[in-house]
Amino acid sequence: SSELTQDPAVSVALGQTVKITCQGDTLRSYDATWFQQKPGQAPVLVIYGKNKRPSGIPDRFSVSSSRNTASLTITGAQAADEADYFCNSRDSTGNLQVFGGGTKLTVL
Amino acid sequence: QVQLVQSGAEVKKPGASVRVSCKASGYTFTDYYLHWVRQAPGQGLEWMGWIYPRSGNANAAQIFRGRVTMTRDISINTAYLELTSLTSDDTAVYFCARDSSGFFFGPFDSWGQGTPVSVSS
Repeated sequence: SSELTQDPAVSVALGQTVKITCQGDTLRSYDATWFQQKPGQAPVLVIYGKNKRPSGIPDRFSVSSSRNTASLTITGAQAADEADYFCNSRDSTGNLQVFGGGTKLTVL
Repeated sequence: QVQLVQSGAEVKKPGASVRVSCKASGYTFTDYYLHWVRQAPGQGLEWMGWIYPRSGNANAAQIFRGRVTMTRDISINTAYLELTSLTSDDTAVYFCARDSSGFFFGPFDSWGQGTPVSVSS
């Protein structure tokens, strides 16, 4: 079982705001990283650390954290945001990595 | 630009081994850790391990220890993942990913295209 827990599915109306959460005790010590994956493609780094986005990732993606929960917020969701989202962090030892189970985002 | 190009699809029988390669370009291969991640059909991402190309040091998730070997050939900027004693549960797409931190802390900023491995009798 994963040390990081995500809701399997979330939906959002076009243009609205959605929050995808990731829970795990390791998040009390380490920041979460978020990846977006579309069918048949490799994951893409979306956001990491304290709201750091790679070049090309729109600023409608943001993160926050509280205690053992990290959250990815998409403000003004677009059709292109429909995808699976995975959180990732270091494990309890700090030496290894772990992924959440993923959240399928549907944009209605 | 950073690019990771993986070897092609593999079909294996149960009990066999598979080796997947990941060729890096666009950066200094020995400066960054590489991770291996797999994804079974319709499932999530599963982290397998990392290798530091400069030293060859590697570390794998507990579930794979004893069955996985991660190596590299720095003369051709290529990392390898070998998985032995394959079962149908190993059917998955295998990805390599570069760790941009300079350590094994993440994030993984560049990914290979994935190598499908199918295990079937």
